[in-house]
Amino acid sequence: QQQVKQSPQSLIVQKGGISIINCAYENTAFDYFPWYQQFPGKGPALLIAIRPDVSEKKEGRFTISFNKSAKQFSLHIMDSQPGDSATYFCAASKEEYGNKLVFGAGTILRVKS
Amino acid sequence: EAGVAQSPRYKIIEKRQSVAFWCNPISGHATLYWYQQILGQGPKLLIQFQNNGVVDDSQLPKDRFSAERLKGVDSTLKIQPAKLEDSAVYLCASSFPGSQRGKLFFGSGTQLSVL
Repeated sequence: QQQVKQSPQSLIVQKGGISIINCAYENTAFDYFPWYQQFPGKGPALLIAIRPDVSEKKEGRFTISFNKSAKQFSLHIMDSQPGDSATYFCAASKEEYGNKLVFGAGTILRVKS
Repeated sequence: EAGVAQSPRYKIIEKRQSVAFWCNPISGHATLYWYQQILGQGPKLLIQFQNNGVVDDSQLPKDRFSAERLKGVDSTLKIQPAKLEDSAVYLCASSFPGSQRGKLFFGSGTQLSVL
């Protein structure tokens, strides 16, 4: 059962553009939403995370926007660079389950130079 | 700081054969996870250890998969017998008490192909 739905499956953005990846969840018990970045041949690495009591979190060029009522959250990559080309996964977890993460299916991002 | 080490990097086997993967987490990381990542999907948790005890193995196909973490450090994941649908990347991850919530340190994985 897919509990976190991610879109689009793939994305091509011009260098300097904005990359936007969307996720939606069903279980309102989820209370922590990290994003992971994965380069080919490597394991995923934590990029940025947000709690549902915050509507937006920004770290450098990466911003998470969170809409609790719609049960949706998104990752925005500003000024996208070729080095950002990777697969991005949204995830969700529940306090009672500690660090057990449920991942979305992933978005393959390609930034064209 | 050394990362999570996994071996082998690649493995090709015939269906119904057995295979084992090894993971050495980051020193001091008490929690160890095994994830299965099928092509085009996100990682799915198979089993979680806290030291050498199992915390969650609800999604581990126990009729063919087994895992152990002796002495609370290294871990081995075994598949016996393998099926075609087991073709995936098997990721090991670890975390330590007090780390940022949701922050797992992943290894590079073992890519398994079952023919």
